[in-house]
Order: sequence, then structure tokens, then C-alpha cells
Amino acid sequence: EDQVTQSPEALRLQEGESSSLNCSYTVSGLRGLFWYRQDPGKGPEFLFTLYSAGEEKEKERLKATLTKKESFLHITAPKPEDSATYLCAVSNTGNQFYFGTGTSLTVIP
Amino acid sequence: DARVTQTPRDKVTEMGQEVTMRCQPILGHNTVFWYRQTMMQGLELLAYFRNRAPLDDSGMPKDRFSAEMPDATLATLKIQPSEPRDSAVYFCASGLGVHEQYFGPGTRLTVT
Repeated sequence: EDQVTQSPEALRLQEGESSSLNCSYTVSGLRGLFWYRQDPGKGPEFLFTLYSAGEEKEKERLKATLTKKESFLHITAPKPEDSATYLCAVSNTGNQFYFGTGTSLTVIP
Repeated sequence: DARVTQTPRDKVTEMGQEVTMRCQPILGHNTVFWYRQTMMQGLELLAYFRNRAPLDDSGMPKDRFSAEMPDATLATLKIQPSEPRDSAVYFCASGLGVHEQYFGPGTRLTVT
């Protein structure tokens, strides 16, 4: 069965303390892996799509990487405004989508 | 600034009542998604449409839920009859294809 597992569930960082979020996936034919950011009371906001192992994408302090079994979202020198829940999702060749339960990130000034 | 809009933003209803949620996708987007989010289950895909045709509704309880796109500017999700376990935040998202989705603000549904 296709599934996505994110870790850790929650992460507290000091401002400027870099870290990584993990997304492990099992999927029958990966079409794409996605990262979203969700702020409280709002809908998820698209960040990245990765299609194949070895691919990397960057946006400001965020960098997403992909291997055949997992993806990492690296956060470099985070700021308090990076505090949010980060969601990972995959789509398979059957056009089905599966979201992880997210990592809640808190960046302390 | 193009955005997905959803109405109503909040809905409180009694068990057994019909609930209709509406979504206006971003103009020009050909793919529309309905999701449900709860603390226990996280974000679940209920159904999605491409060019107004349903592509996948395998995540939707068919006995009480229905999703339609009467035209390119409106998507609806109906629950009849509603049950307390349907209480959740329902999100609509749209995109050009499936790989970059833009979410609306959600409808918070409470069924008592």
C-alpha cells in the first residue's frame, strides 16, 4: 500500500539553527513528490515538486532533495516566520495522491 | 492576485442535514481537487476533476458524498445525510495538471 511517513512530528529550533525534515515514502510508481507549507487556519501552500532521485530544488532558506526512498527538506538558518507545518505528498502512476501527517516546525527568536 | 475561493468558510449543522460546499477555482486552471483534513487522519484526497470530468473519487464515501463541476468556475461537494464523523476542514485546490496545487482557505464543517 502506498504511504508517506514524515518525521519528526514536531521540531523546535532556535533562530539560525539549521535542520532537516524527513519524508519517507512507499509508492507503486512515483510520478512526483511534493512539499507544502501550511500555516494555522489556512490551506497548504505549494513549495516544490520533485520527480526523480537526485533532483534538488531551492527556495530562499529551503532546499528539497529526493532519493528513491525518501525526501529531505533542509532549512538553513531558519527565521521565526518559517514556523509552520510542512507537508509531504506523493502521486503515483494511478494518479492517486497521499499526504503525510506533517512536521510542525517552531522557530524560536 | 488569483486565489481559490470557498464558501461557506464555516458551517455548523445537525446530523442528517444536507451540506453543500462550493469552490471557485483559479481562472484557467483545468484540475480541481477536494480534500478533507482532520487531526487524526491528516489531509485526505476525496476526489478530483480534470477539464470538469471526474478522474478519481476513490477517497470519497459514495453513499453520502457527491462532487460535481457544473461549469469551469464552480465545483461543489455535497454530503447527504451528514454525520458527526464528517466534521473536518474541507479544502478545494486547483492547478494546471496535478503537480502544483493551489489551495483555498477551507470550509470548517461541524456536524452536531
